[in-house]
Amino acid sequence: GAGVSQSPSNKVTEKGKDVELRCDPISGHTALYWYRQSLGQGLEFLIYFQGNSAPDKSGLPSDRFSAERTGGSVSTLTIQRTQQEDSAVYLCASSPGVGGGFEAFFGQGTRLTVV
Amino acid sequence: GESVGLHLPTLSVQEGDNSIINCAYSNSASDYFIWYKQESGKGPQFIIDIRSNMDKRQGQRVTVLLNKTVKHLSLQIAATQPGDSAVYFCAEGGYGGSQGNLIFGKGTKLSVKP
Repeated sequence: GAGVSQSPSNKVTEKGKDVELRCDPISGHTALYWYRQSLGQGLEFLIYFQGNSAPDKSGLPSDRFSAERTGGSVSTLTIQRTQQEDSAVYLCASSPGVGGGFEAFFGQGTRLTVV
Repeated sequence: GESVGLHLPTLSVQEGDNSIINCAYSNSASDYFIWYKQESGKGPQFIIDIRSNMDKRQGQRVTVLLNKTVKHLSLQIAATQPGDSAVYFCAEGGYGGSQGNLIFGKGTKLSVKP
């Protein structure tokens, strides 16, 4: 498929464990975003990658959260020592980037449940 | 910022009526704005966008209006259908003329009564 792909679609983990969430953006898109959405809430910005520029990490809620984007394509969001308040849907989006359009296309999300 | 708690603002309309969903944005430097629709269990889907140098843009059954003076954005949906029931988010971005991160508003739940 040509859309944004996220895996896993669902993840249940025990409190204190680390988790990795993966995002495969649309091929050629230079901009990639991670958001968090709690039940019935809006989208909370986490981190933004644009090409080779330093990522905008201003939305990461704590130092337990980190993200990487390898080779300008696939991105991994890592949450260390998970807490129950980390339970949410984590959404990834990509867009063509500077000069190529700013419409962000979203994946279906990863539903994270910390028990 | 203001929190809306666990309940999103809700707009209930009759099928066939027009809907208007409003959004207040925060950054006067934002140069583009997007409306997204999110159905239950899905990621947000693009509806329509507008650049800051415009005040109106029309799509199929949808119109976006931008008032930069009061930092207000609205989405008008003509002849609302049951399939339009969803949560609608506005988003702003593009600070200073280059693409920056995309910040979303709180969302409005649209409920269409048959």
